Amino acid sequence: QQQVKQSPQSLIVQKGGIPIINCAYENTAFDYFPWYQQFPGKGPALLIAIRPDVSEKKEGRFTISFNKSAKQFSLHIMDSQPGDSATYFCAASMSGGSNYKLTFGKGTLLTVNP
Amino acid sequence: DAGVIQSPRHEVTEMGQEVTLRCKPISGHNSLFWYRQTMMRGLELLIYFNNNVPIDDSGMPEDRFSAKMPNASFSTLKIQPSEPRDSAVYFCASSPELAKTDTQYFGPGTRLTVL
Repeated sequence: QQQVKQSPQSLIVQKGGIPIINCAYENTAFDYFPWYQQFPGKGPALLIAIRPDVSEKKEGRFTISFNKSAKQFSLHIMDSQPGDSATYFCAASMSGGSNYKLTFGKGTLLTVNP
Repeated sequence: DAGVIQSPRHEVTEMGQEVTLRCKPISGHNSLFWYRQTMMRGLELLIYFNNNVPIDDSGMPEDRFSAKMPNASFSTLKIQPSEPRDSAVYFCASSPELAKTDTQYFGPGTRLTVL
């Protein structure tokens, strides 16, 4: 059972565009929602994360929008650059104590053309 | 600062052989995770250690897989005997005290090919 559904599988935008990647979750006990960025040949790296007490979090050109009632969250990349081309994974977990387990989406391959 | 170190980076072996993957977590981190990444199944958590103790191995696919963490700076993931369907990229990740942070730091991965 896939608990975090991510879409689209792949996305191509032009430089300066605003790619949007969406994730939906099923488990209402999830309370931590990170996005990881992975470049070819590298391990995933934490990009930005949100907790459900806020509806939006922004770090530089990256923004997470969170809709608790719809059980959805999304990543927006403002003024996208070719260097943003990577695979992006959303994830969810129940944070704290022994509730560590990150459940990942299947990933979105983003290509930003120059 | 050195991040999570994994070795080897690439491993090619024949079906039936034993494979051992190695991981050195970031110094001071007390949680360690082993993940497997494939196109079909994405990133899957195999096992999690906290303070060198295995906490949850429910993701380990079958008895052919085993993992150990003999000390705070070293962990191994062993597959014996290996099968072609084990071909994947295996990541190790570590985290500081999980009660205070959820961030996991991933290594560069080991690409395993079982012929």
